Order: sequence, then C-alpha cells, then structure tokens
Amino acid sequence: KAGVTQTPRYLIKTRGQQVTLSCSPISGHRSVSWYQQTPGQGLQFLFEYFSETQRNKGNFPGRFSGRQFSNSRSEMNVSTLELGDSALYLCASSSPTGDRTEAFFGQGTRLTVV
Amino acid sequence: QKEVEQDPGPLSVPEGAIVSLNCTYSNSAFQYFMWYRQYSRKGPELLMYTYSSGNKEDGRFTAQVDKSSKYISLFIRDSQPSDSATYLCAPSTGGFKTIFGAGTRLFVKA
Repeated sequence: KAGVTQTPRYLIKTRGQQVTLSCSPISGHRSVSWYQQTPGQGLQFLFEYFSETQRNKGNFPGRFSGRQFSNSRSEMNVSTLELGDSALYLCASSSPTGDRTEAFFGQGTRLTVV
Repeated sequence: QKEVEQDPGPLSVPEGAIVSLNCTYSNSAFQYFMWYRQYSRKGPELLMYTYSSGNKEDGRFTAQVDKSSKYISLFIRDSQPSDSATYLCAPSTGGFKTIFGAGTRLFVKA
C-alpha cells in the first residue's frame, strides 16, 4: 500500500512569490490535514479537508489556503511569501480505525523563502 | 490557551538515561492518547497509543495518562542514540479530531 506522497520535496522561493504544494493521500483515505513545522514553533495545524470540504482550520493568515479534489488529493497554496514561511510542510491522511484515528504523514516539503 | 501543550525542548540526555516526555491538555473529551516519533528528514509515525487513563508498556517505552490532571507522559528506559528524534503527543476524541502537540526534540548522546 503506497504511503502519503508529497511533492516537491524541496523548494526555494523568493519573498513575495506564491507556492503550491501537493499531497496524495493513502488510497481510500478521505481526510487530509496540513501542518507547518519549524524548530521554534514545532508542529502547527493549518487546515483539514474531508471530501473536498475544509472541515477545520488553524490560526494562520489568509495567505495560506488549500483545496481537495474529488480523488482526495490535496493542494496547499501560500501567496505573498514571507521569510517566516520557511518551514517543513507536512501532509497527513487518515481514516477512522475503530474508535481512534491514526494519521499517516508524508515526508514533507521543505520550503525555503529567500 | 492551546488544547495541547508540549515543551519543544531540546532535551539532551546521555545514553542509558531514563527519559520523561510530557504533555498537558485541556479538553476533557480526549479519550485516546497517541505518541508519534519523527526522525530527521522524515514525517512523524505512530509510536504507541493508550485508551483512557493508565499505563501501557511496549519494550523500553511506557505511555502514561492521568486524566484527572490532564497529563500525558512517555517514558523511555535505557535510552539509545537511535531514540534521538522529535516526539509528538496527540490526544484524540476518536473519529477525526486529533490534536498534535508541538513536539519535543530529544538528543541521546553516546
């Protein structure tokens, strides 16, 4: 069974540009969540999509947006990039297993803003 | 107030030490308590989980939950350099609501 795939693995962008990151979840998983991870703040929740609808949202500015397609693949977009957006962006897919839900993470996209 | 609080560390210990990693949470509805481990340049992976209060042991790892004080712990006995990683607590209400702590970076020195 293929795992969660995130592309690209590494990205370098300039301040003010925009970027789109992609996540392909495990087959059959309908929930996709996005996280930002930095050494200072740790793992922070961005948003979660389920069946093409945003179900939960973290405390990030509107420059961060996402969407989910009918095949459950998801994209995350960051507009007007700032230096502070440099981080590892992780995607996780999940599907309920009994009463608990295990999240399966991709290897992440390392974004560097210069 | 965040639903889950976790000290980001870093925590540095000598090989063979007992490591204690902790989280506090505020939502009484959490019933499942998971710990994820993340090695460098990898995504987090589920390490172990417990249901409700009590202890669960898996080899050198023990997960402990005290629901009365809303306190979650992960103990690592006889720590090894290979245990160096970021550890994230993740309480859950079941279904799709799982909240991740920020993660604690652990370094075990040989």
